[in-house]
Amino acid sequence: AQKITQTQPGMFVQEKEAVTLDCTYDTSDPSYGLFWYKQPSSGEMIFLIYQGSYDQQNATEGRYSLNFQKARKSANLVISASQLGDSAMYFCAMREPVNAGNMLTFGGGTRLMVKP
Amino acid sequence: DGGITQSPKYLFRKEGQNVTLSCEQNLNHDAMYWYRQDPGQGLRLIYYSQIVNDFQKGDIAEGYSVSREKKESFPLTVTSAQKNPTAFYLCASSLQGEGKPQHFGDGTRLSIL
Repeated sequence: AQKITQTQPGMFVQEKEAVTLDCTYDTSDPSYGLFWYKQPSSGEMIFLIYQGSYDQQNATEGRYSLNFQKARKSANLVISASQLGDSAMYFCAMREPVNAGNMLTFGGGTRLMVKP
Repeated sequence: DGGITQSPKYLFRKEGQNVTLSCEQNLNHDAMYWYRQDPGQGLRLIYYSQIVNDFQKGDIAEGYSVSREKKESFPLTVTSAQKNPTAFYLCASSLQGEGKPQHFGDGTRLSIL
């Protein structure tokens, strides 16, 4: 079974508008962490934002915020005021404590395309 | 600047040949990781190491080998036993502990000649 599911293979957004990228996860452990990464066409993975399962507030980092709904097991990434440079692949990843060494399980990704 | 350096950027392998991908970090991170990414897909863990002289298999370790003789270095060897090695390989490192993100290198693209 998929532990991390990103249901949107590709999305378009108009420049300067907000966009939400979906991520649902599956775990039975109460302690876990969720990460979002951006992968431009050049290939490097850029860390964007982190949400811990016990965090009381949704994480925010500049134009990035996490819509964390624990009961629904979703951790959607919201990008506000989209820019052309936001066009990239976006990956959601989960860390579970049952995995030693801070290992991450990645979703299949969403390709975001920002239209001018 | 601190970071992770992967080399080479592009690598070609002949049939039956072993090749080694280099990964060096100067972030003083204890943990290091190797991932494989196939076109249009997410990352899959090959091997990881939490400390020098120790490493563990990930989800797709067959056909690969690693070593961790120094904290800064975690080379990956793609052996001839790996029948479908064409992929993008990413190395990462992190501090230990909750919420510590993995930092990635720029990757190596491996192709079969």
